[in-house]
Amino acid sequence: AQSVTQLDSQVPVFEEAPVELRCNYSSSVSVYLFWYVQYPNQGLQLLLKYLSGSTLVKGINGFEAEFNKSQTSFHLRKPSVHISDTAEYFCAVRIGKTSYDKVIFGPGTSLSVIP
Amino acid sequence: GAVVSQHPSWVICKSGTSVKIECRSLDFQATTMFWYRQFPKQSLMLMATSNEGSKATYEQGVEKDKFLINHASLTLSTLTVTSAHPEDSSFYICSARSWGLVETQYFGPGTRLLVL
Repeated sequence: AQSVTQLDSQVPVFEEAPVELRCNYSSSVSVYLFWYVQYPNQGLQLLLKYLSGSTLVKGINGFEAEFNKSQTSFHLRKPSVHISDTAEYFCAVRIGKTSYDKVIFGPGTSLSVIP
Repeated sequence: GAVVSQHPSWVICKSGTSVKIECRSLDFQATTMFWYRQFPKQSLMLMATSNEGSKATYEQGVEKDKFLINHASLTLSTLTVTSAHPEDSSFYICSARSWGLVETQYFGPGTRLLVL
């Protein structure tokens, strides 16, 4: 069965420090990979996605992620975080590439930026 | 970019009543819509997948008679929580995908349901 793992449930980091949020998935077929951010009491916002091509993907708000097929990972990074980055971050995997394939979410990582 | 709306954004109801949540794709035709449920401090759990004009496909453990999903048009899907109970209180999020947007799934802002 396919699954998504986010090993860190909570990540505290000081403002302007770098951060990495880890994501690993299990799948034997082609996948699309996504990172979403959710601010308190709000819906999801897409940060970035990997569909194919370059394994380094750049997204909004200065975030980037690298797809590593051999390690089945898609870690999210930001070189310098801001207070406004405090939110819940979800890694998601879409198994298959048709319009009907579903997206599976990881358990989420709560990023807290400390001033 | 594509926009998905949900209505209402929040609802409070008495136990035993039914609640309908609407999900609309505002600027594209959504051939497939997904309904998720999110409990506090937890991830999104897929409840069901609905394709326009056909019956929804429910995930294991989701009661299809309790969570009625209708995808009658290419821009509207509804989720009805029948005979709601306090344990149904949650954040419900819909998502939509189109043939033309097959690589991206757009999410609605969510509906917070509180059953008293």
